[in-house]
Amino acid sequence: DAGVIQSPRHEVTEMGQEVTLRCKPISGHDYLFWYRQTMMRGLELLIYFNNNVPIDDSGMPEDRFSAKMPNASFSTLKIQPSEPRDSAVYFCASSFFGGRGYGYTFGSGTRLTVV
Amino acid sequence: SQQGEEDPQALSIQEGENATMNCSYKTSINNLQWYRQNSGRGLVHLILIRSNEREKHSGRLRVTLDTSKKSSSLLITASRAADTASYFCARINNNDMRFGAGTRLTVKP
Repeated sequence: DAGVIQSPRHEVTEMGQEVTLRCKPISGHDYLFWYRQTMMRGLELLIYFNNNVPIDDSGMPEDRFSAKMPNASFSTLKIQPSEPRDSAVYFCASSFFGGRGYGYTFGSGTRLTVV
Repeated sequence: SQQGEEDPQALSIQEGENATMNCSYKTSINNLQWYRQNSGRGLVHLILIRSNEREKHSGRLRVTLDTSKKSSSLLITASRAADTASYFCARINNNDMRFGAGTRLTVKP
């Protein structure tokens, strides 16, 4: 397995533009998580899915952020409109059986810069 | 941080020495996990300890858990320059995993 695959690796966009981040989890994993990492706030859980259904989106900062998981092999995190304070590294992670018995596998992240 | 704290924030040691990092948490957990992150990379899972376990080993890693004190420690023995990275503890309550701010470990050759 190639692991959790995120794209793009880097994204630079202008304020006000729509940004879409993509994630392909490990085949067979039933949980998918989106995290954001900044120097100021560390690693923040944004949202997670179980069997493609959003379970907890309380970490999504505001309505400009949305996430979908149309099938077991693909998820997107969308920011519309983007703002400079959204600049961060966004990680996707997947796991089997949640975190109750196994570790999570993280992707390499998408470094987002909003100018 | 999201309900997990590591200390120290930064640790610098010589190659061959042991490194100890601590983690405290506030709420109940199912298990606690430690992750490593090299600069500019994703997190890598190191070890998981369940709430009913007190100690666990994996290679040069030793993790302890004290649920009465809501704390855990990660010991890396015989450190190597390649161990230089940030280390995070993550507490898991059901499927909700929250990270602390991490410890930045520097191992000098």
